[in-house]
Amino acid sequence: QQQVKQSPQSLIVQKGGIPIINCAYENTAFDYFPWYQQFPGKGPALLIAIRPDVSEKKEGRFTISFNKSAKQFSLHIMDSQPGDSATYFCAAATDSWGKLQFGAGTQVVVTP
Amino acid sequence: DGGITQSPKYLFRKEGQNVTLSCEQNLNHDAMYWYRQDPGQGLRLIYYSQIVNDFQKGDIAEGYSVSREKKESFPLTVTSAQKNPTAFYLCASSPRTANTGELFFGEGSRLTVL
Repeated sequence: QQQVKQSPQSLIVQKGGIPIINCAYENTAFDYFPWYQQFPGKGPALLIAIRPDVSEKKEGRFTISFNKSAKQFSLHIMDSQPGDSATYFCAAATDSWGKLQFGAGTQVVVTP
Repeated sequence: DGGITQSPKYLFRKEGQNVTLSCEQNLNHDAMYWYRQDPGQGLRLIYYSQIVNDFQKGDIAEGYSVSREKKESFPLTVTSAQKNPTAFYLCASSPRTANTGELFFGEGSRLTVL
């Protein structure tokens, strides 16, 4: 049973659009929420991360929104580009460092 | 360059054979991990090790074994007891700091059982 539920499974947007990926969790002990980006044939790489004391975090064109009361968080890719086409994973961790629980992943395709 | 090296990149195996996947890191990280990736299921933790000569089972350890004799190396053996071994296997490492959430991944090994 996945502890972090991620949706949608896939999405297609045109260049310049804003793909939004949503994740939800139940375990209130989670206190660190990273997002990983994976290109085909490669390992995932950390994209951006947030802690529950912050409601929003931006890094370049990537924004995480966090709703602690709803136990939900989401990734927005502003002004998306074809180079953003990848699979994105949300994850959550507790004080057990490094033991991440991953969502199922979202395949994002940005068309030219 | 510092990083994690996994080998082989592709591996084919007949049913009933054990196979060992290699993972080496030169990042001087204390912790190392093995994940399995299947379509639509995300990454699932097989085994992890926080220090040399010690390791713990993850969520799906059955049919797998590991060793951690050196800080740099964390090989994974997929045994014949693993019922559905065809998958993409990812090795990762992280520094021994509390709850950073950052894992550094290798490029993976794709195992196919014929």
